Amino acid sequence: GNSVTQMEGPVTLSEEAFLTINCTYTATGYPSLFWYVQYPGEGLQLLLKATKADDKGSNKGFEATYRKETTSFHLEKGSVQVSDSAVYFCALGIKAAGNKLTFGGGTRVLVKP
Amino acid sequence: GAVVSQHPSRVICKSGTSVKIECRSLDFQATTMFWYRQFPKQSLMLMATSNEGSKATYEQGVEKDKFLINHASLTLSTLTVTSAHPEDSSFYICSARDLIRADNYGYTFGSGTRLTVV
Repeated sequence: GNSVTQMEGPVTLSEEAFLTINCTYTATGYPSLFWYVQYPGEGLQLLLKATKADDKGSNKGFEATYRKETTSFHLEKGSVQVSDSAVYFCALGIKAAGNKLTFGGGTRVLVKP
Repeated sequence: GAVVSQHPSRVICKSGTSVKIECRSLDFQATTMFWYRQFPKQSLMLMATSNEGSKATYEQGVEKDKFLINHASLTLSTLTVTSAHPEDSSFYICSARDLIRADNYGYTFGSGTRLTVV
């Protein structure tokens, strides 16, 4: 089956620090990969995506590269801000599987001033 | 962009009563909507997939008589938690699929509903 594993949090950082959240996946088929962000009390917002191997998704200073050889999609940001404090979810979707998204467990990130 | 409106954002109900949660696509037609449940500090668990005009498809372990889903129009899906009990307290999130949008398979998420059963 399909699954997504991401590093457990919470991750606590100081402002302007470098952030990495690891995400690995297993999938039958050819998945698209996503990172979603959830701010407190809110739903999910798409942060970035990649639809095929070696694609790099980027948005708001965040980046993630689809690595088929390591089945990974690690999220990075070079300099975090307090406003980046949120829960980040890695997810995969396969059109052949009815377009359902499979989510990782989520990683809570807390950025301190 | 595509917007999904979910109401109510918070609801407190007494044990044994039913609660209805609405999910509306405001500026697109959503042939498919997904309902998720999220426990505190945990990931999203897909409960069911609803397709306009047909019965919902429930994930294994989800009681269809407990969580009634109706998707009567292309812009509205409802989730009714029947005879709610404290263990049903959770954060429920809907997602609607916009066939026209190319990115992300066209998924847009609602802002979620915090249900507390007392």
